[in-house]
Amino acid sequence: GNSVTQMEGPVTLSEEAFLTINCTYTATGYPSLFWYVQYPGEGLQLLLKATKADDKGSNKGFEATYRKETTSFHLEKGSVQVSDSAVYFCALTGSSNTGKLIFGQGTTLQVKP
Amino acid sequence: EPEVTQTPSHQVTQMGQEVILRCVPISNHLYFYWYRQILGQKVEFLVSFYNNEISEKSEIFDDQFSVERPDGSNFTLKIRSTKLEDSAMYFCASSENGQGGTEAFFGQGTRLTVV
Repeated sequence: GNSVTQMEGPVTLSEEAFLTINCTYTATGYPSLFWYVQYPGEGLQLLLKATKADDKGSNKGFEATYRKETTSFHLEKGSVQVSDSAVYFCALTGSSNTGKLIFGQGTTLQVKP
Repeated sequence: EPEVTQTPSHQVTQMGQEVILRCVPISNHLYFYWYRQILGQKVEFLVSFYNNEISEKSEIFDDQFSVERPDGSNFTLKIRSTKLEDSAMYFCASSENGQGGTEAFFGQGTRLTVV
């Protein structure tokens, strides 16, 4: 079945450091890929998405490219801020047409000043 | 900005009791979902709901769970006889449609503690 694997956390970085959070997936067909973010005390919010191979999603300085050849959707940001501290979830929707999301286990990012 | 709202934010219940978790999805959305996250584990899909019926459910969603849209605005998850292992954060979500690339909007969650 479909699944998503994320790098284990927590990830601790200093402000202005470069961020990569790895995400790989297993899916049949052509899934859509997402990064959701959960700030402390809040619900999950869509950060970015990509719906086909080689698409790049971007938002708030974060980027991720849909790589079908490596089944990956790694999240990157060139210079993190303290306000980026949150839990990041990689997810996919498959071909079911119900909108069901399959999530990775989440990666906690802590950015120190 | 429209948002999904969930109540209560925290519910404590005794094992064997019934609980109802409530959600108000975004008003023009047609698909509704429940997910749960046991502490330290993945966010897991429970059920999707469209056109007043379940469109997909996971193996977690057994006979003790049910969902309902009792009126034009609320969407509820009922757990008939709670178990200790039902303790988790429950998230409601909604989306405009069920197509693969469509964004789902999530509520802030209800933390259910079964004692």
